[in-house]
Amino acid sequence: QKEVEQDPGPLSVPEGAIVSLNCTYSNSAFQYFMWYRQYSRKGPELLMYTYSSGNKEDGRFTAQVDKSSKYISLFIRDSQPSDSATYLCAMSSARPGNQFYFGTGTSLTVIP
Amino acid sequence: DGGITQSPKYLFRKEGQNVTLSCEQNLNHDAMYWYRQDPGQGLRLIYYSQIVNDFQKGDIAEGYSVSREKKESFPLTVTSAQKNPTAFYLCASSSRPTTDSNQPQHFGDGTRLSIL
Repeated sequence: QKEVEQDPGPLSVPEGAIVSLNCTYSNSAFQYFMWYRQYSRKGPELLMYTYSSGNKEDGRFTAQVDKSSKYISLFIRDSQPSDSATYLCAMSSARPGNQFYFGTGTSLTVIP
Repeated sequence: DGGITQSPKYLFRKEGQNVTLSCEQNLNHDAMYWYRQDPGQGLRLIYYSQIVNDFQKGDIAEGYSVSREKKESFPLTVTSAQKNPTAFYLCASSSRPTTDSNQPQHFGDGTRLSIL
């Protein structure tokens, strides 16, 4: 079983839609959760960084962590064509060493 | 602007040849990482370094080597022993994690390596 599971999509939505991206994980020691956005032929760009359970909001983006279900989500409100990219989730435990485990990424296209 | 610079953007390797990918950061980060990204497989950790002159193997270190002589630089050599080197290689850095806090990683824009 992989440490982190992420539906690869592709996901296609009309402009203005609310997008929900999700990851599940198996290691209950994970406490730090990140979402990255990766455009084609570019490196991942950090979008959201959260610790433990709960919600975090930044503009049109909301990250949600449910540790009891080992499930994390990223919501994008009022999606724009510029949001078209691959979204990667990543997580790690609090152990020193900072090794992160990444999902395979979900490809999102927002259609104008 | 602070950031991570990877070079070259594209690299071609001949059979039996070693090639070196450059990674430089000016974020004053202690920790640096190398990942390999293949379609459908996500990012896999090759090597990481928490401090100058020290580094550890990741999950797929075979056929690769690194050095960490300066805080700003963490070059990756893909040796001829790596039989399937075609991939997108990403370098990342982070502040050193403390005992009660982990730190997010920030990435460069990658080097795409192909076999001739």
